[in-house]
Amino acid sequence: QKEVEQNSGPLSVPEGAIASLNCTYSDRGSQSFFWYRQYSGKSPELIMSIYSNGDKEDGRFTAQLNKASQYVSLLIRDSQPSDSATYLCAVNGGKTSYDKVIFGPGTSLSVIP
Amino acid sequence: EPEVTQTPSHQVTQMGQEVILRCVPISNHLYFYWYRQILGQKVEFLVSFYNNEISEKSEIFDDQFSVERPDGSNFTLKIRSTKLEDSAMYFCASSAEGLVHEQYFGPGTRLTVT
Repeated sequence: QKEVEQNSGPLSVPEGAIASLNCTYSDRGSQSFFWYRQYSGKSPELIMSIYSNGDKEDGRFTAQLNKASQYVSLLIRDSQPSDSATYLCAVNGGKTSYDKVIFGPGTSLSVIP
Repeated sequence: EPEVTQTPSHQVTQMGQEVILRCVPISNHLYFYWYRQILGQKVEFLVSFYNNEISEKSEIFDDQFSVERPDGSNFTLKIRSTKLEDSAMYFCASSAEGLVHEQYFGPGTRLTVT
């Protein structure tokens, strides 16, 4: 059974701080990794994808991937109250790149003004 | 910006009834998916669809479920005889051709089975 694990939180950070979200996955053969943001009652919104070891930056967001440790993280710099949401880590879980993604349980982030 | 749309936003049905959930994927996307999320739980994969056929399905996707792409734009999920435990948010997603296959989700249909 392929698993994606995340700390459920809640993670609370003050406005302007860096929020650090972590994720581990069980399938060493996974190739693509995704971070989604989900506001309460809404659908998952794609923030970033990453498939190579190292860092990938997009605005205030940086995704980090370490395949040897089976670890993915998301850093949010200059956190804003509007970043308060549940962050879902997702991992490509099929034999092909277009197959399903397997979601973690999500980490709830609260940014305190 | 192109987006996935879903209708209806909320569907209430009685146990044993059939429901059809509808999705319009992003127009140039070729890969289509259905996921569901029971309240307070993880997003769960149901089925993926490519080239007019199912490419993968989960254990949840039993004989009560079916998918169809009846025309060039719509992608539907049918549940033949709904059960109380089918109550959930159902999300449609689509992805384009490419290396990573980023999946973009629609707003969801909240299905309530009474």
